[in-house]
Amino acid sequence: GIQVEQSPPDLILQEGANSTLRCNFSDSVNNLQWFHQNPWGQLINLFYIPSGTKQNGRLSATTVATERYSLLYISSSQTTDSGVYFCAAPNAGGTSYGKLTFGQGTILTVHP
Amino acid sequence: DGGITQSPKYLFRKEGQNVTLSCEQNLNHDAMYWYRQDPGQGLRLIYYSQIVNDFQKGDIAEGYSVSREKKESFPLTVTSAQKNPTAFYLCASSMTGIEELFFGEGSRLTVL
Repeated sequence: GIQVEQSPPDLILQEGANSTLRCNFSDSVNNLQWFHQNPWGQLINLFYIPSGTKQNGRLSATTVATERYSLLYISSSQTTDSGVYFCAAPNAGGTSYGKLTFGQGTILTVHP
Repeated sequence: DGGITQSPKYLFRKEGQNVTLSCEQNLNHDAMYWYRQDPGQGLRLIYYSQIVNDFQKGDIAEGYSVSREKKESFPLTVTSAQKNPTAFYLCASSMTGIEELFFGEGSRLTVL
């Protein structure tokens, strides 16, 4: 099946700093999702981004499907951005049917 | 409000007992999923269902069972055959199975 790798595994920032999280996947995909898991465990949808660039406030994401990677940008980070960021891509075959393979996540800690 | 409701949020059980976790959605989504998360790990798919009265095994189905008798409900039973049941369980749904995935708040199961 598809392999999804995220980097860096851990990231520590001061409030106000910018950061870039990376997600590499081993096969071509027809969708890619980014999630933020808050300290209570809830997964919050950030982006559904098969290709191209999307922006939502201080967050933006870019997926380059042909090169098999996606980037999540966080600008002017805040303490509430802390948590684990996951990317997820559909399993082999290109069908998405919710059968997402998750990366191991990037643990982001933002200090005031 | 539309969403996915999981219950209970926390559950303690003795080893050898079966446990059923509830997942209800009022989003009118066709597809529903169960994922498992272990500490410091990503999510792994247990079972999924794309339509009422039909479901398929995910990557780690052994020791689990599900039913899909109603569109809005997809309960998961953790049986005594599951060798390491202590984990965080997340239910998810999507409109048709090829669109964006949304998660409930999760159920944390501890087997003593």
